[in-house]
Amino acid sequence: AQRVTQPEKLLSVFKGAPVELKCNYSYSGSPELFWYVQYSRQRLQLLLRHISRESIKGFTADLNKGETSFHLKKPFAQEEDSAMYYCALGDNTDKLIFGTGTRLQVFP
Amino acid sequence: DAGITQSPRHKVTETGTPVTLRCHQTENHRYMYWYRQDPGHGLRLIHYSYGVKDTDKGEVSDGYSVSRSKTEDFLLTLESATSSQTSVYFCAISGGDRASTEAFFGQGTRLTVV
Repeated sequence: AQRVTQPEKLLSVFKGAPVELKCNYSYSGSPELFWYVQYSRQRLQLLLRHISRESIKGFTADLNKGETSFHLKKPFAQEEDSAMYYCALGDNTDKLIFGTGTRLQVFP
Repeated sequence: DAGITQSPRHKVTETGTPVTLRCHQTENHRYMYWYRQDPGHGLRLIHYSYGVKDTDKGEVSDGYSVSRSKTEDFLLTLESATSSQTSVYFCAISGGDRASTEAFFGQGTRLTVV
């Protein structure tokens, strides 16, 4: 069965520290993976997707099929990065399956 | 931002009453989804639609029904609201482009069942 696991409910770091939000998935086919972000009182929005191989707001994520992971990383966290982050898996039936989310807190 | 709006934004209702939430899009996207967001559970899919009058169940569909009579509107109905349905509900749309499943979200509806 398709599943997305985000093992950390809360991740707290100080400004300038590196950040890694973990995401593991279970899917038998060829996955499409996303990271969505939800800032306080705002709607969810796409942060990045693995097929784009891009860096958004300093965040990157690499799909590791061997480890079935899609961890989100940023070398130097900023206070404005504080938000809820969701990893999501797109299957070939056009559904998006989300993880339980990780709240990132960046302290000054 | 994709043209997607939810109404109402907030609602308080009593146990046992019917409730309908509306999602409206102006993007002509084929797919529409209803999720609920709860602490510790993240986002869970309730129902989704892949076209007018074409809907299917998600992982937490019990107690909910949906209808899509027009491309732009996707309604979520709680036939008889229960306290366990207190949640934040998000509608999402996607274009159905086989190259990507990227979804765009509405602002959310906070529903409280008392």
